[in-house]
Amino acid sequence: GNSVTQMEGPVTLSEEAFLTINCTYTATGYPSLFWYVQYPGEGLQLLLKATKADDKGSNKGFEATYRKETTSFHLEKGSVQVSDSAVYFCALITGTYKYIFGTGTRLKVLA
Amino acid sequence: GAGVSQTPSNKVTEKGKYVELRCDPISGHTALYWYRQSLGQGPEFLIYFQGTGAADDSGLPNDRFFAVRPEGSVSTLKIQRTERGDSAVYLCASSSDSKNTGELFFGEGSRLTVL
Repeated sequence: GNSVTQMEGPVTLSEEAFLTINCTYTATGYPSLFWYVQYPGEGLQLLLKATKADDKGSNKGFEATYRKETTSFHLEKGSVQVSDSAVYFCALITGTYKYIFGTGTRLKVLA
Repeated sequence: GAGVSQTPSNKVTEKGKYVELRCDPISGHTALYWYRQSLGQGPEFLIYFQGTGAADDSGLPNDRFFAVRPEGSVSTLKIQRTERGDSAVYLCASSSDSKNTGELFFGEGSRLTVL
């Protein structure tokens, strides 16, 4: 079946550090891939997405590239800020309505 | 409001009681989803509505769980004879994407605690 595996957190970084959160997936067919973010006290919201191989999704300085050969969609940011502290969820959908989410990775950025 | 609204935000109940959780999606969104998020886990699919009908309820864990969306807008998730294992955050999301391959808009969730 379809699944998403994320690196376990929490991830603690100093402000302006480089961020990578790993995400790999298993899916039949050709999934669309997503990163959702949940800030404290808020609902999940879409951060970025990619719908086909080699696409790069980007938003708010975050990037992720859809790598079919390694079945990965790692999230990166060159310089994190305290305001990026949140829980990040990798997710996929394979042409149907049923999203599959990873377990989430908590990021804490220290000033 | 402009976003997905869920009520109550917190619900504490005793084992065996009946609970209703309400979701008011973004106006005009035909697709509505319920997910359950247990501590330290990602959201797990429960049920999907397209309009008034439940297109897929395969994620409901057992027959104590039921959801309705009678007018194609507001949805209610109903849990009978609650058990301690039902404690979780119940998330509602809606979407306007007719192919349902795009963005989901989530509410803040209803945290259910069964004592």
